[in-house]
Amino acid sequence: ETGVTQTPRHLVMGMTNKKSLKCEQHLGHNAMYWYKQSAKKPLELMFVYNFKEQTENNSVPSRFSPECPNSSHLFLHLHTLQPEDSALYLCASSQGLAGGRETQYFGPGTRLLVL
Amino acid sequence: AQTVTQSQPEMSVQEAETVTLSCTYDTSENNYYLFWYKQPPSRQMILVIRQEAYKQQNATENRFSVNFQKAAKSFSLKISDSQLGDTAMYFCAFQAQKLVFGQGTRLTINP
Repeated sequence: ETGVTQTPRHLVMGMTNKKSLKCEQHLGHNAMYWYKQSAKKPLELMFVYNFKEQTENNSVPSRFSPECPNSSHLFLHLHTLQPEDSALYLCASSQGLAGGRETQYFGPGTRLLVL
Repeated sequence: AQTVTQSQPEMSVQEAETVTLSCTYDTSENNYYLFWYKQPPSRQMILVIRQEAYKQQNATENRFSVNFQKAAKSFSLKISDSQLGDTAMYFCAFQAQKLVFGQGTRLTINP
């Protein structure tokens, strides 16, 4: 596998379910990101991890819980979501966080539908 | 706060034509990077081209080139000899610390 992979690609869940999204990068990068892409809105940065440490939480509700066990893997744990949380969730990685210099590479996304 | 504006929600051209997508941004930063990403129906966000603000020379990647006007805070993307596979959403993005995206332009290449 190359690049950034995400599983599952599609997910349907009820508001009382608990599910997890998985992201894996095969680029040897140290920084990983979660973004939310909703219809007719720009991509919204959710979380940033650098060397497994969370460096940014962009005021994300606690029903979204990230986990980064190592520099290659990033999870997003979901529980008691709302229908407005339905969106495409994109994972990205970059070599580091050196200001604006680092290019981010994206995974294919997980399309989430909350019923 | 930085903002990125793409004023063309949708564009459509014939195959083999040249098309230019517009992007403007607002920032007080002097050192930053600009990107164009492509998101085809598969939803994979793919890097098309990158420009360093300190470089006056416009970036080029095969059929893709940019017109970077730093004083005007403008960063347009030109696609030459457009192909059916270029059909996608195109996002302009700015990065000084965080990566900030525009709303996107839906480009359709017609046969």
